[in-house]
Amino acid sequence: DGGITQSPKYLFRKEGQNVTLSCEQNLNHDAMYWYRQDPGQGLRLIYYSQIVNDFQKGDIAEGYSVSREKKESFPLTVTSAQKNPTAFYLCASSTGGEQYFGPGTRLTVT
Amino acid sequence: SQKIEQNSEALNIQEGKTATLTCNYTNYSPAYLQWYRQDPGRGPVFLLLIRENEKEKRKERLKVTFDTTLKQSLFHITASQPADSATYLCALDYSGAGSYQLTFGKGTKLGHT
Repeated sequence: DGGITQSPKYLFRKEGQNVTLSCEQNLNHDAMYWYRQDPGQGLRLIYYSQIVNDFQKGDIAEGYSVSREKKESFPLTVTSAQKNPTAFYLCASSTGGEQYFGPGTRLTVT
Repeated sequence: SQKIEQNSEALNIQEGKTATLTCNYTNYSPAYLQWYRQDPGRGPVFLLLIRENEKEKRKERLKVTFDTTLKQSLFHITASQPADSATYLCALDYSGAGSYQLTFGKGTKLGHT
């Protein structure tokens, strides 16, 4: 089955720790995205990548970092510099039209 | 910057009626406009895409209209069922410019009475 996987589904971390969220796709899509979703805020773009070894900041990139070493993988690191990291994180991929989303990772930082 | 407004945070309708959700935007019109469905705790699922030169698009019980003069899209679900209860997201797609980016509205949560 083709699709996008995100792991883990739930993640708990202590404040001050960096954490990396996984995103893998086997759809052969060039473009991949990371969004953050908070209650009442909708989806906000963190980073996106249109091709391997290249990525751009989205609207809320501060406190986050990404890499795109392989076409299939686009991991997101939430650093200790992110002021409010607790949120639902969604990864997506596309070929330029509709986006295909993963199941999401709910990160809780205490 | 581009603003997107979806008519209300929540909409409750009677089972069997047509649900109509609104998406309004400011500034310039996108090349495409997309609609997604999101269930609680899950990722959005693509439903329909409409191009700026198309007035209407249909898929089974779903219909989307796109009026670039009014800067508005309407999303209709005919004969709405409890299984249609979800949050519906509107997204503006400026990929005509090659950026592949979407700008999402906050969504409208559809429920049934």
